[in-house]
Amino acid sequence: GIQVEQSPPDLILQEGANSTLRCNFSDSVNNLQWFHQNPWGQLINLFYIPSGTKQNGRLSATTVATERYSLLYISSSQTTDSGVYFCAVLGSSNTGKLIFGQGTTLQVKP
Amino acid sequence: DTGVSQNPRHKITKRGQNVTFRCDPISEHNRLYWYRQTLGQGPEFLTYFQNEAQLEKSRLLSDRFSAERPKGSFSTLEIQRTEQGDSAMYLCASSSQGYYGYTFGSGTRLTVV
Repeated sequence: GIQVEQSPPDLILQEGANSTLRCNFSDSVNNLQWFHQNPWGQLINLFYIPSGTKQNGRLSATTVATERYSLLYISSSQTTDSGVYFCAVLGSSNTGKLIFGQGTTLQVKP
Repeated sequence: DTGVSQNPRHKITKRGQNVTFRCDPISEHNRLYWYRQTLGQGPEFLTYFQNEAQLEKSRLLSDRFSAERPKGSFSTLEIQRTEQGDSAMYLCASSSQGYYGYTFGSGTRLTVV
């Protein structure tokens, strides 16, 4: 099955710094999503981005489907950005199942 | 609509007991998913419903697990004869046609003692 790898596994930033999170996937996908899981466990959908670039405030994401990777950019980080960031893909078999990476744990210090 | 609702938020049970969790999806979403997340891991797929039909089940869903979605509305996940290894966060999500933009509930955290 499709493998999803995220890097780095852990990231510590000072408030105001920028960061880039990476997601590599092993096969062609037709659905890629980025999620943020806050310290209370809630998974929030950040982007649905099978290809191209999207921006939402201080966050933006780019997926290069032909090269099988996606990047999540966080600019001017805030303490509320802390948590775990997951990317998840849907295989081309179109089963509805999301395959999650292991996540990147981000800690933003004041 | 307030999103995907899951109850209870927390459940502590003794090994061997049965537990049932409920998920109320976003009303216009016809697709509903259950995932399980253990500490330090990403969520793992358990099962998927389109309307009332259960279309896929993971091999993680042993015969002690059963899920239903009567009338294509809310869903229940039951675990029989719980084991300590069942301790995890159980997440429900819903989406509309086309697998676009899943919405997750807050999860039910199960602790088996």
